[in-house]
Amino acid sequence: QMQLVQSGSELKNPGASVKLSCKASGYTFSNHAIHWVRQAPGQGLEWMGWVNTNTGTPTYVRDFRGRFVFSLDTSVNTGYLQISSLQADDTAVYYCARQLATMSYDVWGQGTVVTVSS
Amino acid sequence: QSALTQPPSASGSLGQSVTISCSGSSSDVGAYMYVSWYQQHPAKAPKLLIYDVSKRPSGVPDRFSGSKSGNTASLTVSGLQADDEADYYCASYAGSKNLGFFGSGTKVTVL
Repeated sequence: QMQLVQSGSELKNPGASVKLSCKASGYTFSNHAIHWVRQAPGQGLEWMGWVNTNTGTPTYVRDFRGRFVFSLDTSVNTGYLQISSLQADDTAVYYCARQLATMSYDVWGQGTVVTVSS
Repeated sequence: QSALTQPPSASGSLGQSVTISCSGSSSDVGAYMYVSWYQQHPAKAPKLLIYDVSKRPSGVPDRFSGSKSGNTASLTVSGLQADDEADYYCASYAGSKNLGFFGSGTKVTVL
């Protein structure tokens, strides 16, 4: 079945970097963009942007330009989200999701919890 | 970030219906037929219920329906069941500059 499996929880110090993974299976990876969504504790969903799985081209929502980098390894059907210079307010669950149509995501990863604390 | 306003809460009795609004602008909801709706249970990933304003992915029951009028989109859940108690989010495309947004979210309580 189609699924996205994300890497495990991370605990990082402020200022550190983290790289999260999102491995796809059960479908043709290049047929669907991978999107990233953040959810801070007790808060709503924030769309971060996406990566074109054909070209590798990333697109970032305004609030996520600079410290956030989307990348791919198509040889293993995996997308990555790297966050640098981590701050306390980066503490959140980060989801990857498969694009079905414009602004719609039909397969979601289970989420990766990132905690930034000293 | 959200430019889409949803009521913080909504409720309905078992078997009844509830409608959730998603208010945007002429630059997002009003401009495009790209509104989607998601259901999220606590500590779970969101689930797609509706896309392209009113289309249901396979496996989503027809108790869930979507519509749009002007700058406001709506999700109606009919025949409320206990498991419908969850958070619901809308999302809309907003063009090549602003790209898109999720709504602020609505917590639905089944009475």
